[in-house]
Amino acid sequence: DAKTTQPNSMESNEEEPVHLPCNHSTISGTDYIHWYRQLPSQGPEYVIHGLTSNVNNRMASLAIAEDRKSSTLILHRATLRDAAVYYCILRDPFDGGATNKLIFGTGTLLAVQP
Amino acid sequence: GAGVSQSPSNKVTEKGKDVELRCDPISGHTALYWYRQSLGQGLEFLIYFQGNSAPDKSGLPSDRFSAERTGGSVSTLTIQRTQQEDSAVYLCASSQDRGLFNEQFFGPGTRLTVL
Repeated sequence: DAKTTQPNSMESNEEEPVHLPCNHSTISGTDYIHWYRQLPSQGPEYVIHGLTSNVNNRMASLAIAEDRKSSTLILHRATLRDAAVYYCILRDPFDGGATNKLIFGTGTLLAVQP
Repeated sequence: GAGVSQSPSNKVTEKGKDVELRCDPISGHTALYWYRQSLGQGLEFLIYFQGNSAPDKSGLPSDRFSAERTGGSVSTLTIQRTQQEDSAVYLCASSQDRGLFNEQFFGPGTRLTVL
């Protein structure tokens, strides 16, 4: 599986935008970029995913570099509830096992200050 | 609607005892996954079910670990002769099927402590 690299931690102030980077220099042409987050004492939850084009949903935006070797999850206005570990995960729909299990890295711990 | 539920929420056991952890997936979800999260290893995949069959057991760490799923719904993860290194949070997730675009919904987890 292609590997992702994320900063261990980041800090933000409430109501300010947050840009969470992810490097995936060995990404294959069929890998999709998924983001999950894990709030304290909870299981992970899906945030967003994309392939090549930038994506927006009610939770966040995903900006994907033109060469696809990096991406950025954007929280437009951070709230205290956004404090969590954010995981950037590559998923290949054509992998041999095709179980679509999630391979988690260490993620980025986002702290939001009031 | 109801999400993924897991029971018990906490389990403390003595080394050498067997434990059973239960997962109730979202109704209608055919794919079910078990993961565990420990301080030393982060979040790791254990086993995947599609319906009642388990085509991917590659993450089970030893033969002391087993899981089953009945009626395409409830799943039980069993750990025999527990060891201290089994202490972790065991997470269950389900999705509509194994499709790439079907997000996985996670339960709150079972925190297992082996004394």
